[in-house]
Amino acid sequence: GQQLNQSPQSMFIQEGEDVSMNCTSSSIFNTWLWYKQDPGEGPVLLIALYKAGELTSNGRLTAQFGITRKDSFLNISASIPSDVGIYFCAGGTGANSKLTFGKGITLSVRP
Amino acid sequence: NAGVTQTPKFQVLKTGQSMTLQCAQDMNHEYMSWYRQDPGMGLRLIHYSVGAGITDQGEVPNGYNVSRSTTEDFPLRLLSAAPSQTSVYFCASSYSPVLPSPLHFGNGTRLTVT
Repeated sequence: GQQLNQSPQSMFIQEGEDVSMNCTSSSIFNTWLWYKQDPGEGPVLLIALYKAGELTSNGRLTAQFGITRKDSFLNISASIPSDVGIYFCAGGTGANSKLTFGKGITLSVRP
Repeated sequence: NAGVTQTPKFQVLKTGQSMTLQCAQDMNHEYMSWYRQDPGMGLRLIHYSVGAGITDQGEVPNGYNVSRSTTEDFPLRLLSAAPSQTSVYFCASSYSPVLPSPLHFGNGTRLTVT
């Protein structure tokens, strides 16, 4: 089946730093979604991207839908301690039941 | 706004026992689904439903049953629990089965099977 690659598995940054995460695939997607999961909770949607080349911001978060439709990136600027969590990318090609999730990147922020 | 509500939050079962994980949403969403989350595996789809009375299998359906008698509720049944079913289970819903309708997740049920 389709696979999304998110690496590294864990990232450690200092408070105030910017961080960028990539999500790549060998398959083309029509929708890219970025979710964040806080400890003990379910994933929460951060940003949704619907068109190749689209660049969308949500506060300190910016995400882009790659031109090739095979990748997406998420950038967090001026990180703060509450940015700690697991960040998942997800790619879709029509139906929610066909949504493919990456394995997630665990972000740690040192104060 | 309650959103997607899952009960219980934690459950311990012995091998062979059965139980039902509850999921309810109050957003009038058509689409509901169940995922399991295991370390290093990400989120894997178990079963899903595109509307009341309609269910279908996802990526890892074995050992689980679902039903959708109402729009609001989508329970997940474990018929005979096995240690391999130890996991965190998430219910998710969206207003449409079709993208780009994004999923809304519940807070999960952490299940341990001994």
